[in-house]
Amino acid sequence: DTGVSQDPRHKITKRGQNVTFRCDPISEHNRLYWYRQTLGQGPEFLTYFQNEAQLEKSRLLSDRFSAERPKGSFSTLEIQRTEQGDSAMYLCASSFLDSQETQYFGPGTRLLVL
Amino acid sequence: SQQGEEDPQALSIQEGENATMNCSYKTSINNLQWYRQNSGRGLVHLILIRSNEREKHSGRLRVTLDTSKKSSSLLITASRAADTASYFCATNQGAQKLVFGQGTRLTINP
Repeated sequence: DTGVSQDPRHKITKRGQNVTFRCDPISEHNRLYWYRQTLGQGPEFLTYFQNEAQLEKSRLLSDRFSAERPKGSFSTLEIQRTEQGDSAMYLCASSFLDSQETQYFGPGTRLLVL
Repeated sequence: SQQGEEDPQALSIQEGENATMNCSYKTSINNLQWYRQNSGRGLVHLILIRSNEREKHSGRLRVTLDTSKKSSSLLITASRAADTASYFCATNQGAQKLVFGQGTRLTINP
């Protein structure tokens, strides 16, 4: 399967702990996106990369959040000092370098902060 | 913030009937995409319609786009139990990111 993959699929952590999620995009895709989805809502944009450059960050992405895509392939999203409000599904998507292109989503990482 | 709005928020129909969902948005767009999400899973891309297109078909799916009214509709014909899911429209405003609505929760009753 050459779709977008995410790891882990589920994460339970205690408030104050740090967590890191990984996304592996479709191999030939230049763009990689992170979204967050809370229960009953649609996904909300967090940030995106074009190759290794992080080109846009949402105001939702507080300074406790950091995302990287060091070699222009996989990406990591780290949340420091987690809070209960961080509990959500974190979705990764990738696409070709074209604003008209479809974004393909991974299965998501469901985070629960206790 | 979410720009799109789907209508209805929830829809329950009998298997074999057609299901229609509507989406409205507020700003000009490059394209509009529809996604399906089964409970607790990732999003599956269904169809993309560009701003210069008015209608598009894919299998049992028919999407229309009215840019003058800033609205789109998704029609699923001959519904099946497997169509039970949440459906989201997402607009691409030329800024790379997708802006999603809150979704329509579709239930197909056998």
